[in-house]
Amino acid sequence: SAVISQKPSRDICQRGTSLTIQCQVDSQVTMMFWYRQQPGQSLTLIATANQGSEATYESGFVIDKFPISRPNLTFSTLTVSNMSPEDSSIYLCSVETQKTGGLNTEAFFGQGTRLTVV
Amino acid sequence: DAKTTQPPSMDCAEGRAANLPCNHSTISGNEYVYWYRQIHSQGPQYIIHGLKNNETNEMASLIITEDRKSSTLILPHATLRDTAVYYCIVRRGYQKVTFGTGTKLQVIP
Repeated sequence: SAVISQKPSRDICQRGTSLTIQCQVDSQVTMMFWYRQQPGQSLTLIATANQGSEATYESGFVIDKFPISRPNLTFSTLTVSNMSPEDSSIYLCSVETQKTGGLNTEAFFGQGTRLTVV
Repeated sequence: DAKTTQPPSMDCAEGRAANLPCNHSTISGNEYVYWYRQIHSQGPQYIIHGLKNNETNEMASLIITEDRKSSTLILPHATLRDTAVYYCIVRRGYQKVTFGTGTKLQVIP
């Protein structure tokens, strides 16, 4: 299993500013992901955070708006840049670990960062 | 990843079994069926997964049809704390998790 700590848990920010969200895992993991969950919606993948290289972004998400760092196998950050009220969402970090004794995997999620942009 | 279809909402009486269906008719041979749930304001929580055999753990049972085109998550004795959105996902290991809209389960006292 993996325990994920996400900071901050919530924040209220002024439009035009930026917020950096941190994700810390208690063990080394190969794959880390960042998701967004808009109010009343399901989770949407923003990007895969790659250790030692640039993140891989999904359609509709760009590096200038959501820069991601992954300096090692236990830590990643997501920055929401030049925020507008439309960025108000829950942002979640997720990691993938291999299940003991098998080839399949299990995904773990942080508790999320609830962002409100005013 | 194969697409899944789930009913948008279901009700279940407290103490009764909750049976949540999922259709995944385009699942491929190396894709697993995973179930997650998201309780309000929390991150998604892994429940159970399987390939082709039925699976049971301390939280739930997973019944997969022989043709693997559908499955059912069973919560044997639903409690109020099981009220959540339940997501059925099919995927291979080490792939991104793509969430659909899920089933909103309401457990009624």
